[in-house]
Amino acid sequence: NAGVMQNPRHLVRRRGQEARLRCSPMKGHSHVYWYRQLPEEGLKFMVYLQKENIIDESGMPKERFSAEFPKEGPSILRIQQVVRGDSAAYFCASSPARISGANVLTFGAGSRLTVL
Amino acid sequence: TQLLEQSPQFLSIQEGENLTVYCNSSSVFSSLQWYRQEPGEGPVLLVTVVTGGEVKKLKRLTFQFGDARKDSSLHITAAQPGDTGLYLCAGAIVTDKLIFGTGTRLQVFP
Repeated sequence: NAGVMQNPRHLVRRRGQEARLRCSPMKGHSHVYWYRQLPEEGLKFMVYLQKENIIDESGMPKERFSAEFPKEGPSILRIQQVVRGDSAAYFCASSPARISGANVLTFGAGSRLTVL
Repeated sequence: TQLLEQSPQFLSIQEGENLTVYCNSSSVFSSLQWYRQEPGEGPVLLVTVVTGGEVKKLKRLTFQFGDARKDSSLHITAAQPGDTGLYLCAGAIVTDKLIFGTGTRLQVFP
C-alpha cells in the first residue's frame, strides 16, 4: 500500500510560467489537503478537497491558484503566472475520512517549487 | 484566524540533555497532533492527543494535552542526535482542517 505520492519532487519555473503539482492519495483515502511551507517555517493550510468537491479553500490565494480532485486521477494544485514568492515546498496529505482523533493525515514527501 | 505558537523556535543541546517544547493557542482544538519533519521530507506523525489533560508516552518522548485543550507540550528525555529535526504541533478544528504551529527546530549534538 503505497503512501501519498507527490510529483514532481522538484520543479523549476520562470516567472510567468505555470506550475502543476500532482498528488495521489493513499489507497482508500478520499480527503486531500494541500499545505505550503516556506524555509524554516511551519505548514500553512491552503485547501481541503474531497472527490470532485472543494470543501475549504480559505488558505489559498484568490488569484493564480486553483486546486481540483477529480473523480478519477490525482489531485492537482495549479499555480498560474508564477512569481518568485511562490517558491516553496508544497505538501499534500490524505485522510480516509474527516479529521478526528482517530483519523490523521498522511503526508507526501512534498514538491519543491523554485521560481527563477 | 487560529494560531498555534511554538516555543522555543530553535533549540541546540548536547546529547543526554532533557528538553521541552511548548505549543500554545487561544483556540480550543478537538485533537492535537505532533509531527517530526526531516529535511526534504514530509511531516511524520508522532502522536495524537484527544482528551484534555491526556498524557502519552512514546519511549523517551512525553506528550501532554492541556486541560482546556488549547495547549500542549512535548518533553524529550536524554536527547539523542537522532532526535534532530523540525517538530510541529497541529490542532484539528471543527472545519476539518489541521492548523500547524510555527515549528521548533531541534539540533542535538553528540
